[in-house]
Amino acid sequence: GAGVSQSPRYKVAKRGQDVALRCDPISGHVSLFWYQQALGQGPEFLTYFQNEAQLDKSGLPSDRFFAERPEGSVSTLKIQRTQQEDSAVYLCATKGGADTGELFFGEGSRLTVL
Amino acid sequence: KQEVTQIPAALSVPEGENLVLNCSFTDSAIYNLQWFRQDPGKGLTSLLLIQSSQREQTSGRLNASLDKSSGRSTLYIAASQPGDSATYLCAVRNHDKVIFGPGTSLSVIP
Repeated sequence: GAGVSQSPRYKVAKRGQDVALRCDPISGHVSLFWYQQALGQGPEFLTYFQNEAQLDKSGLPSDRFFAERPEGSVSTLKIQRTQQEDSAVYLCATKGGADTGELFFGEGSRLTVL
Repeated sequence: KQEVTQIPAALSVPEGENLVLNCSFTDSAIYNLQWFRQDPGKGLTSLLLIQSSQREQTSGRLNASLDKSSGRSTLYIAASQPGDSATYLCAVRNHDKVIFGPGTSLSVIP
């Protein structure tokens, strides 16, 4: 596609609910990153994929957070048993294999946990 | 561990002024540095990307410089316009991890 696409754009969940956030990367982009952005702060790294391999998940805040990219394209970030502190914007970014190193971001998924 | 800071946290200027935003990082072994703009409720838009071997990049009214040895980058905006009002974020890449600063919130007053 022309850009990184994320869905849903907005999600309201009750505390304890599971949520799944989807990222469709730019076609052919090998690397995919997930970030969490709290209000008024810069994005914080969560996890990184190269193709289908999850090479770094050091930023995932707890074992309630899980990400996958089974076919090396679309990625899903799943949050189980959501808590209020999970409320944030979740940003997906990708970059190509012919690497200038430039990151391209989606619009983000804004999660509000009530 | 790479840490990125940005000064000032917020800035308000009258239209037409030239301004400088600052970014500092603790680990100089970076691959590149990227400046982004973020409008409220939106994702990040890439403004300029500076490779570690470069000293500066220019795009229109924007100029970004990089001094790796001192761990600093600046974003210079010439002749600011109300449409420049946004949050500006710098991000440094070490290997395959990209670390962001907290951003500078810019308001340009007509």
